[in-house]
Amino acid sequence: DAGVIQSPRHEVTEMGQEVTLRCKPISGHDYLFWYRQTMMRGLELLIYFNNNVPIDDSGMPEDRFSAKMPNASFSTLKIQPSEPRDSAVYFCASSFTGPGGEAFFGQGTRLTVV
Amino acid sequence: GENVEQHPSTLSVQEGDSAVIKCTYSDSASNYFPWYKQELGKGPQLIIDIRSNVGEKKDQRIAVTLNKTAKHFSLHITETQPEDSAVYFCAASRYSSASKIIFGSGTRLSIRP
Repeated sequence: DAGVIQSPRHEVTEMGQEVTLRCKPISGHDYLFWYRQTMMRGLELLIYFNNNVPIDDSGMPEDRFSAKMPNASFSTLKIQPSEPRDSAVYFCASSFTGPGGEAFFGQGTRLTVV
Repeated sequence: GENVEQHPSTLSVQEGDSAVIKCTYSDSASNYFPWYKQELGKGPQLIIDIRSNVGEKKDQRIAVTLNKTAKHFSLHITETQPEDSAVYFCAASRYSSASKIIFGSGTRLSIRP
């Protein structure tokens, strides 16, 4: 398996624009997580899915953020409208053991909002 | 809320020497303690983990120790090599389908040649 695949690797956008980040989890993993990493706040769990159903979105910072998982092999994280403070590295991870177990991370998407 | 404290935030050691990173956790019900290594431009990767029913686990040059009474756990890297340079994260969780992992703030380890 190629591991968790994220796209794009880098995204630069202007404030106010919509941004969509994409993720393909490892086949057979029932759990998918979206994390945000910044110097100030470290690794933050934004939301996670189990069998394509959102289970806990308490980490989503505000209504501008939304995530979907239409099928077992694809998820998106959308920010609309984007703001400079959204600049961060966003990681997708998947797991077969749940949110408390081993997680396999993608390479991340570095988002810069100018 | 639950918390994981990690120290030091940066660590520089001479190649061949040992490196130790320490973490403490607040949730006494935590029973799973993984360590992740993050190289530049990559996502975190699990390198070793320990469950609460053991006090120590080794894998070649890497070892983890756990003191449940004190709620401390540590990562030990011996005979450090340049490729060990990375950011290391400790984490703690209740190993169940409902409990989320809490990550430490990370330690940037640099190996001096």
